[in-house]
Amino acid sequence: EVQLVESGGGVVKPGGSLRLSCAASGFTFRNYNMNWVRQAPGKGLEWISSLSSSTTFVYYADSVKGRFTISRDNANNSLYLQMNSLRPEDTAKYFCARARGAVDVWGRGTMVTVSS
Amino acid sequence: EIVLTQSPDFQSVTPKEKVTITCRASQSIGSSLHWYQQKPDQSPRLLINYASQSFSGVPSRFSGSGSGTEFTLTISSLEPEDAATYYCHQSTSLPGTFGQGTKLDI
Repeated sequence: EVQLVESGGGVVKPGGSLRLSCAASGFTFRNYNMNWVRQAPGKGLEWISSLSSSTTFVYYADSVKGRFTISRDNANNSLYLQMNSLRPEDTAKYFCARARGAVDVWGRGTMVTVSS
Repeated sequence: EIVLTQSPDFQSVTPKEKVTITCRASQSIGSSLHWYQQKPDQSPRLLINYASQSFSGVPSRFSGSGSGTEFTLTISSLEPEDAATYYCHQSTSLPGTFGQGTKLDI
């Protein structure tokens, strides 16, 4: 079964850091570009970061550029998102997403709450 | 950044009704437009990719059309389980932007 499982979310104070992980299974992870998409409570979807299969291409939304770092470990079928200098507006569910054009596989998401 | 605008934002509907949701792009995106369904507390689910291609396992009552800057998602005969929020998404360029969502209330 093709699956993405996120972990690492939690409650953190403004200015704090978190590292999200996404464990992939059921497909050849190294062949796919991978992405993070987030959704604030009651709001729509926001594409925040992409990393190509060979890590030669990386993208960040302006809202997270300079604070978040995406990385991957193809040997261990894992995607990561290091989040620093967190702000209250980063409060959201973070989804790991496999995409070739459309996102055909989504994880269940991990919730990040930034609050003092 | 390419902006996607969906209409309507909200629609109250009844079972067996035909529903059409529109997504307009701020510039031409060819056919790189995809549709998702999201139910409360669930991840989005791909319904239609590249404007009109039904994704595996999606009921035939869901269909998509359009190209360039105007696209539609049609549900031919609404079922109660179709109560959800629907999003369009363009992948022609990064960032992969989403529409604001259309909530169907049954």
